[in-house]
Amino acid sequence: DSGVTQTPKHLITATGQRVTLRCSPRSGDLSVYWYQQSLDQGLQFLIQYYNGEERAKGNILERFSAQQFPDLHSELNLSSLELGDSALYFCASNERGGETQYFGPGTRLLVL
Amino acid sequence: DQQVKQNSPSLSVQEGRISILNCDYTNSMFDYFLWYKKYPAEGPTFLISISSIKDKNEDGRFTVFLNKSAKHLSLHIVPSQPGDSAVYFCAAFAGNTPLVFGKGTRLSVIA
Repeated sequence: DSGVTQTPKHLITATGQRVTLRCSPRSGDLSVYWYQQSLDQGLQFLIQYYNGEERAKGNILERFSAQQFPDLHSELNLSSLELGDSALYFCASNERGGETQYFGPGTRLLVL
Repeated sequence: DQQVKQNSPSLSVQEGRISILNCDYTNSMFDYFLWYKKYPAEGPTFLISISSIKDKNEDGRFTVFLNKSAKHLSLHIVPSQPGDSAVYFCAAFAGNTPLVFGKGTRLSVIA
């Protein structure tokens, strides 16, 4: 158990809909990262937050947005969902940024 | 443009033998490399890492080798055990940039 929690574990929705994925980092970790893993793909970095502020952005679509709240939990919002958005979404955290990240169990999103 | 490549999608090894997982990278600015292990229905877990100032790092049955001139690293698992069956991701890091992951290699250790 990494100490990072993600909810929900599974999510099935329809095209055009909007969903919110939630992540609680390890106790004391200020940095939260979001990744997407599509079929046969590696982990694609989406976005990083550090202590409530956006720190780095990867290949995140404009339809996707995220935020980190004062209690340090983070939410990833995915809107106008398309079939290709079906993937595993992982959240990771660490204390200040840097190399070693601790991953949550992921949310499996299926868009029908 | 894939900066971190794991060219073998899968690898099958007999229990007790050595498993060698390979990773190539293109960005010479990478200065830290990590291996993560992932079981089904779980998130990746950190396994072992190596700084670019070293060429080898060992932790129990796991050893990572780095060849900077070839931009290549490898993970050796000796001896391989059935519980090592998982997907292994290579990742690279440069300064404050985000981790860049390879696509992973699925290791199957056969009893």
